[in-house]
Formats: sequence, C-alpha cells, structure tokens
Amino acid sequence: QKEVEQDPGPLSVPEGAIVSLNCTYSNSAFQYFMWYRQYSRKGPELLMYTYSSGNKEDGRFTAQVDKSSKYISLFIRDSQPSDSATYLCAGGSNYKLTFGKGTLLTVNP
Amino acid sequence: KAGVTQTPRYLIKTRGQQVTLSCSPISGHRSVSWYQQTPGQGLQFLFEYFSETQRNKGNFPGRFSGRQFSNSRSEMNVSTLELGDSALYLCASRPAGATWEQYFGPGTRLTVT
Repeated sequence: QKEVEQDPGPLSVPEGAIVSLNCTYSNSAFQYFMWYRQYSRKGPELLMYTYSSGNKEDGRFTAQVDKSSKYISLFIRDSQPSDSATYLCAGGSNYKLTFGKGTLLTVNP
Repeated sequence: KAGVTQTPRYLIKTRGQQVTLSCSPISGHRSVSWYQQTPGQGLQFLFEYFSETQRNKGNFPGRFSGRQFSNSRSEMNVSTLELGDSALYLCASRPAGATWEQYFGPGTRLTVT
C-alpha cells in the first residue's frame, strides 16, 4: 500500500464550480500536510500546508485534514481556468515529503 | 527574492554515463532536498541536506549521491545512468527555523538514451 493515495483523475469542471480533491494516507508519523499545484513543465508550487486536524483557509482554497481517518482534502471555490493544473498532496515527517501521484484538474471556461 | 534555480534545465545523456545536476536555494534557505518525478512513480524523495550534512535519504540505489556546499548550493550526481533514470529532477529549499514549507525549483529534465 502506498503511503499516500490520490485519485489521478482527470477531473474536468466548468468555471465557477467547487472542486474537491482528496487523498488518504497510511503513515501515522506524518506531522504535517501540504498541497502543491504543478503546471505543465513547471516545478510544484506550494499552495497550503497544515499541521493539525481541521480546516485552513486561504482565499479560494481550503485545506482539510482528518487525522482520525487519515484523510486530506483541498477545496477550491469559484474555480478558474487558471486553476487547471496537477494538484499534489503530501505528508511530511523528518524533513521528507511523501507525495500522492497527483490529480489532473481542468477548469473549462 | 529569487526562487530556487536549477541548472541545466534539460539534459540528454547515454546509458552508462554520469551526470551532475546543480541547485541554488532561495537566499537564506539552508536546507535543500532532491526529488525524482516520473509518470509512473510520481514524486519520490531522494535526499535532504542541511549545513552540508545529509539528514535523510530515500530508497534509491547508491548510484544517486549528493552534496551541499558552505553557501547552501547543492549538487546531485547519478553515476552509471540507466534508461529508468529518465525523469524530472526537482530541488526544493526550506527556510531555517521550525517551518516545514518546501519551495521547489523548475527542475532538470534528464533523458537517458
């Protein structure tokens, strides 16, 4: 079993939709959780990170962690075509990030 | 502030050769990590350096090695290249202090023929 599982999609939504991206993890040692966005031919860009269970909001993005069920989510409100990218979740411990394989999101105008 | 820079951006090598990739972290960042990204395996952790010391290592063969210099710049070396080493190699730097954010560079695209 992979330490971080992520549905690869692809996921296609209309502009303005609410997007829900999800991951599960198996490593109880993870101390923090990250979401990255990666555009084609670019390096991953840090979107959000959180240490604890609960919600963290930043603009149109909300990261949610449920440590009891080992579930990580990212919600994007009012999605825009510029949000079209691959979204990567990651768990971290001991200065090492373990990534899911990424979900390819397309937001259609 | 300039981001993480990686050189070269693209590289083509032949099986059996060796390659050295370079990474310059964000100014003031002292931790540098290396990752390999492939379509099949996704992003996988190679190793992490802090103050010229390797602090953590992923599950890669000994052909993959790295080092960090006193100015925090880092290099990664792959010897005896195999076709399966074709990948995007990403470097990430982290600020000092109790913070976990890692900021990635654009990567070096290595193709082994």
